[in-house]
Amino acid sequence: QVQLQESGPGLLKPSETLYLTCTLSGHSITSDYYWGWVRQPPGRGLEWIGTIYHSGTTYYNPSLRSRVTISIDASKKKFSLALTSSTAADTAVYYCAREKGTNMLTRAIDQWGQGTLVTVSS
Amino acid sequence: ELTQPPSVSVSPGQTARITCSGHALPNQFASWYQQKPGQAPVLLIYKDSERPSGIPERFSGSSSGTTVTFTISGVQAEDEGDYYCQSADNTGTVVFGGGTKLTVL
Repeated sequence: QVQLQESGPGLLKPSETLYLTCTLSGHSITSDYYWGWVRQPPGRGLEWIGTIYHSGTTYYNPSLRSRVTISIDASKKKFSLALTSSTAADTAVYYCAREKGTNMLTRAIDQWGQGTLVTVSS
Repeated sequence: ELTQPPSVSVSPGQTARITCSGHALPNQFASWYQQKPGQAPVLLIYKDSERPSGIPERFSGSSSGTTVTFTISGVQAEDEGDYYCQSADNTGTVVFGGGTKLTVL
């Protein structure tokens, strides 16, 4: 059974870097899936942040590209998110996720972590 | 960009339809997710109309031009929640619609 678990600080100050890690269990991180991050501000909709393939190839939301880095440690079955220069607008529930798809166009998120609330506040 | 109606209301047993519009949809596939309060989203439909295993047949999807439609046949009270469409382009970018709140009257 595939399980994804987010971990990281729940509170940070403006301008700090947000770091989150997702630990995968019950599945191989080097299988033919993509691994990504999605966030949801309180009371609002879903926003895709970015995705990584086990080869290290990354894809980022154009609106966040300048501040986002997603990395993967296949040996530890973990992938991570770093978001620099945080502001209150980055306050959200952050989900790590598994994306399936035979090509770029068919990607869909078929497994989600439970989500972790990150608050940016002074 | 994907555009969804903010809300849809339907009586139990009726059919609910939620649309998602985007100029690029004729060349992309859409997925649909259900999210209930305090929970992670759940994938209901992918590649416009395919259902993952375990998803009831009363959930379906279709595509026509710049609009994709998600349909729930025989709506039940437990179907109340937020629904999101999602697509991806060939550069690797994923986008979600703004979400639709389904109310079962």
